[in-house]
Amino acid sequence: DTAVSQTPKYLVTQMGNDKSIKCEQNLGHDTMYWYKQDSKKFLKIMFSYNNKELIINETVPNRFSPKSPDKAHLNLHINSLELGDSAVYFCASSQVEWNGELFFGEGSRLTVL
Amino acid sequence: RKEVEQDPGPFNVPEGATVAFNCTYSNSASQSFFWYRQDCRKEPKLLMSVYSSGNEDGRFTAQLNRASQYISLLIRDSKLSDSATYLCVVIRYGGSQGNLIFGKGTKLSVKP
Repeated sequence: DTAVSQTPKYLVTQMGNDKSIKCEQNLGHDTMYWYKQDSKKFLKIMFSYNNKELIINETVPNRFSPKSPDKAHLNLHINSLELGDSAVYFCASSQVEWNGELFFGEGSRLTVL
Repeated sequence: RKEVEQDPGPFNVPEGATVAFNCTYSNSASQSFFWYRQDCRKEPKLLMSVYSSGNEDGRFTAQLNRASQYISLLIRDSKLSDSATYLCVVIRYGGSQGNLIFGKGTKLSVKP
C-alpha cells in the first residue's frame, strides 16, 4: 500500500487554466503538507494542515488554495495557472506537526505552456 | 544569507570512498536537524535524524556542531546506490513562517 499518494503524477496545461492535485495518506498522520520544488531543486513549504486547520500559509499567491475534506486528504487547487507555476509539487505527511519525519508522495510534475 | 546552506556539489567519488557533506544554518534558534535523500526524479526520503551527541546508522554518521552551527553527514565505503542528492533539514520552532526548512541539497555521484 502506498503511504502517501498523489494524483496526477504528470499534468500539462495551458496558462490561465485551473487545475487540482489530490493527495491522500493512509498512515493516520495528523499533519499534511504541500511543497513546491522548482527547476533549481529548492523545496519550499507552501501549506500545512493539522486536523483540518491551516497552520501556516507561506507567501504563496492566493491562486493556490489547499482543501482538506478530512484528515487523510489534502488537495491543492490552482487557479489561473502561470508559466512560473511549472514545478514538481510534493504532498507530505507527518505524525505530528513539525517533527521532521515527513513521508512524501511521489510528486506531481506540473508543466504550464 | 540563506537560512540553510549546502555545497551543491556534485561530489564525484569512486566506490569505496569516504565522503562528507556539511550543512550550515544561520538561525541559532534551530532545534532539530535531519538528513534526507532524494534520488533523481523521486521524492525526498528521511535518511536519519541528527542528535546532539552524534549518531551512526551503518555506513552513515551524522554530527551536529551547535557552536559553529553546522551539521555533517559522513558516508563510509560508498556504494553506487548512494548516488543521490542529500538534503539537510532544519526545524526552528516558533515563528510565523516555514518552521521546517530544506537546504538545496548536495549531489553525490559514486562511480565504479
